[in-house]
Amino acid sequence: DAGITQSPRHKVTETGTPVTLRCHQTENHRYMYWYRQDPGHGLRLIHYSYGVKDTDKGEVSDGYSVSRSKTEDFLLTLESATSSQTSVYFCAISESVLVGQEEAFFGQGTRLTVV
Amino acid sequence: AQKVTQAQTEISVVEKEDVTLDCVYETRDTTYYLFWYKQPPSGELVFLIRRNSFDEQNEISGRYSWNFQKSTSSFNFTITASQVVDSAVYFCAANSGGSNYKLTFGKGTLLTVNP
Repeated sequence: DAGITQSPRHKVTETGTPVTLRCHQTENHRYMYWYRQDPGHGLRLIHYSYGVKDTDKGEVSDGYSVSRSKTEDFLLTLESATSSQTSVYFCAISESVLVGQEEAFFGQGTRLTVV
Repeated sequence: AQKVTQAQTEISVVEKEDVTLDCVYETRDTTYYLFWYKQPPSGELVFLIRRNSFDEQNEISGRYSWNFQKSTSSFNFTITASQVVDSAVYFCAANSGGSNYKLTFGKGTLLTVNP
């Protein structure tokens, strides 16, 4: 199994508070991604990183920011959590720039509830 | 932009039945990659297969088989002699050179295999 660890695995937070989710990899893969999974929507890309300090937005990036100061860590921050951000968050890693040349490996997910 | 459609939201079968999960993709790129992932009740995402647009050969792996047809833009997944352990959400995904930073997922098909 690919070495991907997400923390925390579960979190309940209050509306308006900042929240940071962490993704840690031991594979030294260049590309890291944050997805959210919601019923009826499948998985949607929030942000991705193509190297240290190199990040870009995905399709549902509003209200989220990311940082990557080291190859192994990719942080997702909800600047001011809202109930619409209640979701399961998945981190993924990939070695190839095309992703398709190698499958993306996913972490175990973080279940976030905003009350 | 690419799009992946999984028209079957839920499928229920009885153990030992064969079942086919449909996936239709849309892309303007000539080079693209197609994937299937399995998400069992435990929640993790498990990679099943990757296919590139230049390889239309069907693939069989044990009870699993995949039928890739460019003429109909379909990449269907068949489970032969289904088992209870096959119960999961199955996601089809696509990636192409035009948007090489992400996988675009379908909304998933929930397969329930009853004993």
